[in-house]
Amino acid sequence: DTAVSQTPKYLVTQMGNDKSIKCEQNLGHDTMYWYKQDSKKFLKIMFSYNNKELIINETVPNRFSPKSPDKAHLNLHINSLELGDSAVYFCASSPPGGGSGELFFGEGSRLTVL
Amino acid sequence: QKEVEQDPGPLSVPEGAIVSLNCTYSNSAFQYFMWYRQYSRKGPELLMYTYSSGNKEDGRFTAQVDKSSKYISLFIRDSQPSDSATYLCAMRYSGGSNYKLTFGKGTLLTVNP
Repeated sequence: DTAVSQTPKYLVTQMGNDKSIKCEQNLGHDTMYWYKQDSKKFLKIMFSYNNKELIINETVPNRFSPKSPDKAHLNLHINSLELGDSAVYFCASSPPGGGSGELFFGEGSRLTVL
Repeated sequence: QKEVEQDPGPLSVPEGAIVSLNCTYSNSAFQYFMWYRQYSRKGPELLMYTYSSGNKEDGRFTAQVDKSSKYISLFIRDSQPSDSATYLCAMRYSGGSNYKLTFGKGTLLTVNP
C-alpha cells in the first residue's frame, strides 16, 4: 500500500493550459504539503494544510491553487502554465505534534511545460 | 546569502570509502536538523534526525550538528553502491504543529563498486 500517492506521475502540456495534480495519503496524518523541486534539485515548500486548513502559503503565484477536500487529500491546480513551472511537484504528509519532523513524500509528479 | 548552503557535488567515491556530506546555515533559530536521501525519480525519505547540537549514530550513518559554527554533517562509513543517491540536509525551527522544512540543494553521491 502506497502511503502518499500522487497522480499523474508525468504531465506534459503546452504553455497557457491548466492542469491539476492529486495527492492522497493513507497514513492518518493531519498535515499535508506541496513542495516544488526544480531542475537543480532544490526543494522548496509551496503550501501546507492542517486538517483542511491552509497554514503555510509561501510566495507562490496565485495561478497555483491548492485544495484540501478532507485531511487525506490535497490537490494542486495550476492555471495558465508557464515554462518556469516545469519541475517535479512533491506531495508530503506529516504526523501531528512535535517530534522528528519527518515528512513522508510521494514519488513526485513531473511537469513539463512546452 | 541562502538560509541553507550545501555543496551540490557530484561526489564519486569507491565502495567502502567514508563519505562526508556537509551543510552550513545562517539562521541560528533552527533547532531540528535532518538528512533526507532521495533516489533517482523517487521522493525524499528521512535518513537521520537530530535535535540541537550533538551527534547521532545509526548503523553506518552518523549525523553531527555544531550550532556554534552553524554546520551540520552526515558521515557514511563503509559506503555501498546502494548509498548512491542525492542527500538533502533540512532544518526547521522549534515549536509549531507544522513542519516547514528548509532544504539544502542536495549533494549527488555515487558509490562505485
